[in-house]
Amino acid sequence: EPEVTQTPSHQVTQMGQEVILRCVPISNHLYFYWYRQILGQKVEFLVSFYNNEISEKSEIFDDQFSVERPDGSNFTLKIRSTKLEDSAMYFCASSRDIQETQYFGPGTRLLVL
Amino acid sequence: AQKVTQAQTEISVVEKEDVTLDCVYETRDTTYYLFWYKQPPSGELVFLIRRNSFDEQNEISGRYSWNFQKSTSSFNFTITASQVVDSAVYFCALRRKGAAGNKLTFGGGTRVLVKP
Repeated sequence: EPEVTQTPSHQVTQMGQEVILRCVPISNHLYFYWYRQILGQKVEFLVSFYNNEISEKSEIFDDQFSVERPDGSNFTLKIRSTKLEDSAMYFCASSRDIQETQYFGPGTRLLVL
Repeated sequence: AQKVTQAQTEISVVEKEDVTLDCVYETRDTTYYLFWYKQPPSGELVFLIRRNSFDEQNEISGRYSWNFQKSTSSFNFTITASQVVDSAVYFCALRRKGAAGNKLTFGGGTRVLVKP
């Protein structure tokens, strides 16, 4: 069964450094998403992406964040200058259509020191 | 604005007991989707069920069952004859229907601990 994959599974970085989190959505899916989950808290929406454009973003998704689909398979989340409060689990998800269920990847646990 | 409330933060049961997880939601939309996801200790989010707001029929899948009541804005989840492998955090989520927006709004989650 096709799955969303994410790399790396864990990343440790220093405050102020740039990080890029990578995702490979399910191959025939057209809608892509990033969510984050601060330890012990609820899962929060960051951004949705369709047809090479951001279709919706939350207040969390400020200028420090960007997303890109650099090729036909990868979907990336970049955090330009990480802060301590960016430490969280970041989930990528994809759906075949806007109405369809979103399937999540295993997550990348980001720790900012 | 949309909101999902899972009032139970943690439930502990002994194996083979039934456990019911409550989910109450708020939305101004007349059409929407409701979801349950499971997050086992390994951390991933596993899709369990999607429910269309038009469809109030209860659903059963193996030991899992869901009770959707639009009149009380609730979408409760029952695990029958719980097993240790059911130990996880369970999230209820809400999403608007149509092109108006497709982000998922999650509840705070309920941690279920099933003891042998």
